[in-house]
Amino acid sequence: ELKVEQNPLFLSMQEGKNYTIYCNYSTTSDRLYWYRQDPGKSLESLFVLLSNGAVKQEGRLMASLDTKARLSTLHITAAVHDLSATYFCATRVSAGGFKTIFGAGTRLFVKA
Amino acid sequence: NAGVTQTPKFQVLKTGQSMTLQCAQDMNHEYMSWYRQDPGMGLRLIHYSVGAGITDQGEVPNGYNVSRSTTEDFPLRLLSAAPSQTSVYFCASTEQGARGYTFGSGTRLTVV
Repeated sequence: ELKVEQNPLFLSMQEGKNYTIYCNYSTTSDRLYWYRQDPGKSLESLFVLLSNGAVKQEGRLMASLDTKARLSTLHITAAVHDLSATYFCATRVSAGGFKTIFGAGTRLFVKA
Repeated sequence: NAGVTQTPKFQVLKTGQSMTLQCAQDMNHEYMSWYRQDPGMGLRLIHYSVGAGITDQGEVPNGYNVSRSTTEDFPLRLLSAAPSQTSVYFCASTEQGARGYTFGSGTRLTVV
């Protein structure tokens, strides 16, 4: 059964600092997604990572994928208050079709 | 270009009542899913569909039914509402090669 674990679950950081969110998954998968959710809102797709070593960057966020370690990271560079949100990773079982499982989410708060 | 439309946005039910949460997408996406979101638990997959006439169970299917008679619509039925089904429900759709799911705005359901 596919399990997706994120850590930390809560992160409070100062503006200007760097930090990394980790996402581990338990079985082989063919892709890894990252989403953002603002309080009281729906989810917005950030990145999809499709192969080992894939790296995607947008603004102060950079996501990477290591399929051998079953690990993805979301790195935040020089955080700003606008990045405060909950970040989810998600993946699917490649052999099992389209079933997509989410992690519990990392609630990020960036203090001014 | 509406994307994924969920109705209603809010609903209060009494224990034992039944109801249907509606979900429609206008992007001709093959894949649709229903998730529930509870505090600290991320998104949990209820049911999903890979095309019209094809549905399958997710992580937490008990107490819910789905059907997919058209590509556009994927309603979620609560058979006999229980307080444990109080949650925010998200419908989402995607297609092969997409960057990720497109999510609806959610339905906040309270069962009293």
